[in-house]
Amino acid sequence: QQQVKQSPQSLIVQKGGISIINCAYENTAFDYFPWYQQFPGKGPALLIAIRPDVSEKKEGRFTISFNKSAKQFSLHIMDSQPGDSATYFCAASTPTDSWGKLQFGAGTQVVVTP
Amino acid sequence: GAVVSQHPSWVICKSGTSVKIECRSLDFQATTMFWYRQFPKQSLMLMATSNEGSKATYEQGVEKDKFLINHASLTLSTLTVTSAHPEDSSFYICSATPSTDTQYFGPGTRLTVL
Repeated sequence: QQQVKQSPQSLIVQKGGISIINCAYENTAFDYFPWYQQFPGKGPALLIAIRPDVSEKKEGRFTISFNKSAKQFSLHIMDSQPGDSATYFCAASTPTDSWGKLQFGAGTQVVVTP
Repeated sequence: GAVVSQHPSWVICKSGTSVKIECRSLDFQATTMFWYRQFPKQSLMLMATSNEGSKATYEQGVEKDKFLINHASLTLSTLTVTSAHPEDSSFYICSATPSTDTQYFGPGTRLTVL
């Protein structure tokens, strides 16, 4: 079963709007939470990552919010642009997993309309 | 920095033949590389974890005799799909990690078996 549950499956947002993608997990041993962006026919690209010792991390228009007690984390894309249209994957790993093996969410397809 | 390349980017082969895919970390040494398979509109499915100089660790359900992985150096891992059949057609992606956390992905290889 999927150890990281991601929602929504797809998302349509207008240019300039905010895209929000949520992920939830059960394994409290997870200590590294990256987000990847993937365009069709390309490999995933690391977007931003967070560890449980902080509740928020911001890089440009992308922000991760982390709620350790709720075992949830989310990606916010501010001022969404058509170029942000892609599939986004959340992931998690534990320090004891084999060499940093990642557990991926199912992915969210984001479409930003002009 | 942290660039991972894959070759070829796409390949078409006849059923019964073998295909080799290369994964290279261009600007860092990767003690660990991962091989994934991705079907359209689905998440990444980990096939195996490859460590330099040792045998790969395969995920449950992945045939090790069919998907041969070699990690001969700190910058190169190869995946050979032996006796390929149409059901092996997929998007194969590798990733490499310079540490135990961050994985950097290659651009992927599209395999089509006729």
